[in-house]
Formats: sequence, structure tokens, C-alpha cells
Amino acid sequence: GAVVSQHPSWVICKSGTSVKIECRSLDFQATTMFWYRQFPKQSLMLMATSNEGSKATYEQGVEKDKFLINHASLTLSTLTVTSAHPEDSSFYICSARGLGGRSYEQYFGPGTRLTVT
Amino acid sequence: GNSVTQMEGPVTLSEEAFLTINCTYTATGYPSLFWYVQYPGEGLQLLLKATKADDKGSNKGFEATYRKETTSFHLEKGSVQVSDSAVYFCALLNYGGSQGNLIFGKGTKLSVKP
Repeated sequence: GAVVSQHPSWVICKSGTSVKIECRSLDFQATTMFWYRQFPKQSLMLMATSNEGSKATYEQGVEKDKFLINHASLTLSTLTVTSAHPEDSSFYICSARGLGGRSYEQYFGPGTRLTVT
Repeated sequence: GNSVTQMEGPVTLSEEAFLTINCTYTATGYPSLFWYVQYPGEGLQLLLKATKADDKGSNKGFEATYRKETTSFHLEKGSVQVSDSAVYFCALLNYGGSQGNLIFGKGTKLSVKP
């Protein structure tokens, strides 16, 4: 089946620094990628949706200048957390959908645990 | 707005026990409903789905029936195995969003002991 990878799987950074998380579709072309955030014992919350070659669409309440999303190719999307603060510590999950895929046919990455100290 | 509520875990069962994980939803219109499963170290995978009232989704021995009258989509399995240990997420598809956004419950962790 379709495989999505994320790198790194976990990262620790200092407050004020920026962190980049990569999401790759390994065996299919992902025209749309989604970024989610999950707090402990909470549901996945959609942060933004990106289509290859265009700007990401952010959900209400998500700061686009803080969470920079780039979807430059059909197999790679990146999320950069800029000027990270401890409250940005969370589990970030990406998913990808191929061309012609139905809305629910998203393939999920294993997630990235971000800890900001 | 649309939302999904599922029973909190963790749920611990012995092998071959009967499993029920409750899920209820709030939505306008007629959403599609899903169960996703996340095995340790892996991404979420679609387990089963139902797109209209009274539909029954099934896969790998798991079943869930779309009950519009009770706004529920409970997950069941008659005899769980150790390999079923995972986190299970109930979700609905919100057609109101331009991209068709999935709305998830908080997840229920299942541990099956031999």
C-alpha cells in the first residue's frame, strides 16, 4: 500500500529556534498533503492543507507565519515551526492524498514528536 | 459544529474477549464515518468505513454500523487477538470544508493480553 514517511521521528530543540519536519510519499504522488497536531489524550487537529505548487490553506487559529508549510514537489511537504516555544511541543502528523483520491483516502505518516525546552 | 466523541481508554482485554469501543458524533447533514487504527510506530490506517445510515463497515473481523437514530458508530470485534493492540480513532468526514476534512475522536488505546 501507499507509504508516507516523516523525518525526524522525534526532535528536541531550544526555545527560539526553528525546526523543520519532512513528510514524504514514498511510492505515490501526493497532490494534497495535510498537517495535523495531536496533544496528549486529544484528537488530531487539522492545521493546514497544502496542494503541490500552491500556498497552504490554514485552519482557523493556526498562525501561518509560525507554522510554515512548503509543498514544493509531489512527494515532499515540509512543516517548519519557527521561533519555537514550549507550548509548541506536540505530536505532528502528516497525511497525503494522491491525485483522484477520495477525501478520506489519506495515507498517514507515523508522526514527529517535538519537544521544545 | 461537527464533532466526534469516543470512549476513553485505555482498554485492556484478554485474548479472545469481545471488544466494543463506543463512538458518537454530532454533525449537520449526512457525514461519512470511519474507524482508523494506529499500530505502534506506524501511521493511521483506514480500518473500515460507512457512508450512509444503516451501512455496516467491516474489515479484519471488526464491524461498525452507522446508526443515524443514535448518532453512533460503535466498533466491535467478537474475538480480539494480541495483534489488535493499537490505538483506534473514530472519525467523520466533514463535507462542509472545501478539502473534505476528517474530524477525529481522541483515540482509544487497546491492549490485548495473551
